[in-house]
Amino acid sequence: DAGITQSPRYKITETGRQVTLMCHQTWSHSYMFWYRQDLGHGLRLIYYSAAADITDKGEVPDGYVVSRSKTENFPLTLESATRSQTSVYFCASSEPTGGRYEQYFGPGTRLTVT
Amino acid sequence: KNQVEQSPQSLIILEGKNCTLQCNYTVSPFSNLRWYKQDTGRGPVSLTIMTFSENTKSNGRYTATLDADTKQSSLHITASQLSDSASYICVVSSAPGDYKLSFGAGTTVTVRA
Repeated sequence: DAGITQSPRYKITETGRQVTLMCHQTWSHSYMFWYRQDLGHGLRLIYYSAAADITDKGEVPDGYVVSRSKTENFPLTLESATRSQTSVYFCASSEPTGGRYEQYFGPGTRLTVT
Repeated sequence: KNQVEQSPQSLIILEGKNCTLQCNYTVSPFSNLRWYKQDTGRGPVSLTIMTFSENTKSNGRYTATLDADTKQSSLHITASQLSDSASYICVVSSAPGDYKLSFGAGTTVTVRA
């Protein structure tokens, strides 16, 4: 199906483990984003990518690594998970149209670090 | 620091009634303001996008207003339905083509039969 998907939808891991969250979009959008959403906070940008092989830090990048070898995929890796990284993670994609960057969000991944 | 403040934090309304959500922002410069609806367990979905020259924008029973002078926006829901139960998020972009957005914490709306 067309759209933006995330996997897994739910993940429980232990402190210190490496975890990779996957994001895939079928629109060939050039921009992709990773956000985290915590109770009482607005979504916060972790990393974004303007195109394949081009990534940049957002507001809260520490402890995360991204790559983008293909336009459609944008995985997010937690190198050594910590309890503070327990959150809901959203991937989004966007393509500039008329100067407006409408962002389309995936369904989210709920990550619990124990 | 760019900030987006939403009020109230949550509200409960009866089915068929109207409600209005508020958004105040200090983002500068300003490019556009968006309202998103986020159902429980799902990603946000765009309802409206307004630039500084647009005072109002409607999407079905949702009407957003913008006062760029006072840096305030509102989202009005008319004749609420049970499916309107969700979190509504105000989002501000600080420059044309700026894909870095400032998100409010959201207002949780619960519609009861």
